[in-house]
Amino acid sequence: QVQLQQWGAGLLRPSETLSLTCGVYGDSFSGNFWTWIRQPPGKGLEWIGEINHRGSTNHNPSLKSRVTLSVDASQNQFSLKLSSVTAADTAVYYCARSLVPAGRGNNYFDSWGQGTLVTVSS
Amino acid sequence: DIQMTQSPSSLSASVGDRVTITCRASQNIRSYLNWYEQKPGKAPKILIVAASSLQSGVPSRFSGSGSGTDFTLTISSLQPEDFATFYCQQSYIAPLSFGGGTKVEIK
Repeated sequence: QVQLQQWGAGLLRPSETLSLTCGVYGDSFSGNFWTWIRQPPGKGLEWIGEINHRGSTNHNPSLKSRVTLSVDASQNQFSLKLSSVTAADTAVYYCARSLVPAGRGNNYFDSWGQGTLVTVSS
Repeated sequence: DIQMTQSPSSLSASVGDRVTITCRASQNIRSYLNWYEQKPGKAPKILIVAASSLQSGVPSRFSGSGSGTDFTLTISSLQPEDFATFYCQQSYIAPLSFGGGTKVEIK
């Protein structure tokens, strides 16, 4: 059974870069799509983007210019960087697994990390 | 981008009640619609995929229906552990998008 464990800084100042990493345990890293989703406090879910083991990515255009997704397949890890953060980026950030890429059939998230609350405040 | 609209945004119900939540897509998404349950402080959990396919381990009191632009999630007999927030998600086209959520509270 796959487990996702995520980590990264939880408090940032405006204009800094958010950096989170998600480790994948108990499952093949290849053949899946590794996703970041965020949820502002008390609000709904927003898809940030996905990456596969080869480094092929798909992003939400609303964030694309600030998002960098990367993968270290040798360590079964993938990472999110979000540059120039503002208070609007305050959210719980989740990593998750999908079996198919976004927009290619029924893409859903069957395993999730525990979530990391990232707060942006001066 | 496809907008997903859920209604109601919240509801109060009693144990044993039948509960129906609706989700509307801004364009035809065929049956590419998934439902999640989220409890406070926890990650969402997948309940139903492809509009009506119950995930393994999910109680049979949950069901989903619909296609095109209009979808429903039904809980046939609400149980104490079902008080949560429910989200729909379209997977027809990127960027993937979620509904705003429906919070089910105890009456």
